[in-house]
Amino acid sequence: NAGVTQTPKFQVLKTGQSMTLQCAQDMNHEYMSWYRQDPGMGLRLIHYSVGAGITDQGEVPNGYNVSRSTTEDFPLRLLSAAPSQTSVYFCASSRQGNQPQHFGDGTRLSIL
Amino acid sequence: DAKTTQPNSMESNEEEPVHLPCNHSTISGTDYIHWYRQLPSQGPEYVIHGLTSNVNNRMASLAIAEDRKSSTLILHRATLRDAAVYYCILRIQGAQKLVFGQGTRLTINP
Repeated sequence: NAGVTQTPKFQVLKTGQSMTLQCAQDMNHEYMSWYRQDPGMGLRLIHYSVGAGITDQGEVPNGYNVSRSTTEDFPLRLLSAAPSQTSVYFCASSRQGNQPQHFGDGTRLSIL
Repeated sequence: DAKTTQPNSMESNEEEPVHLPCNHSTISGTDYIHWYRQLPSQGPEYVIHGLTSNVNNRMASLAIAEDRKSSTLILHRATLRDAAVYYCILRIQGAQKLVFGQGTRLTINP
């Protein structure tokens, strides 16, 4: 049982480049979300999805796009990377309702 | 989202109990109290949650004040593996998203 899988684990980009962070879960969870964590800070919600075809913005959505074409996958796209987006990105999933969220191990992204 | 207040850091000794406090004076009747922890270089991990009554599981206990304005996460016998940042989060019933604060960094001394 893999849980929540994030790829890549590390990535270095140049300013202006685009990339997609991948997130997949094998628990048939309806809810998925993306967070970013800056050094010494708690996690901040970027985007979330309550099911396939449905996405919504979180606390810090600017500069990021998401889509949810399947239950299993929830990719996060950086359209034009900026140094302010240097962070650790976590993907999470859960069943509907008040169930605990399961987190991936994170993607460490540096933008030069 | 209602706000929680936690101490920035706490320190304890191995094999001793640890009580991690959380204040949430603006909690509403439908807010659940959730605790997550984050070990170094890992994603957050669910610990426990409750609404009104005290809760126990294999990881910890959650003691909730009668007026629900505060709660305490109890680790009964700390180990070195319990060193982590612990987050107390209020979650509206049925709401999916979690709003993280800065948490309490727990250090366990051997």
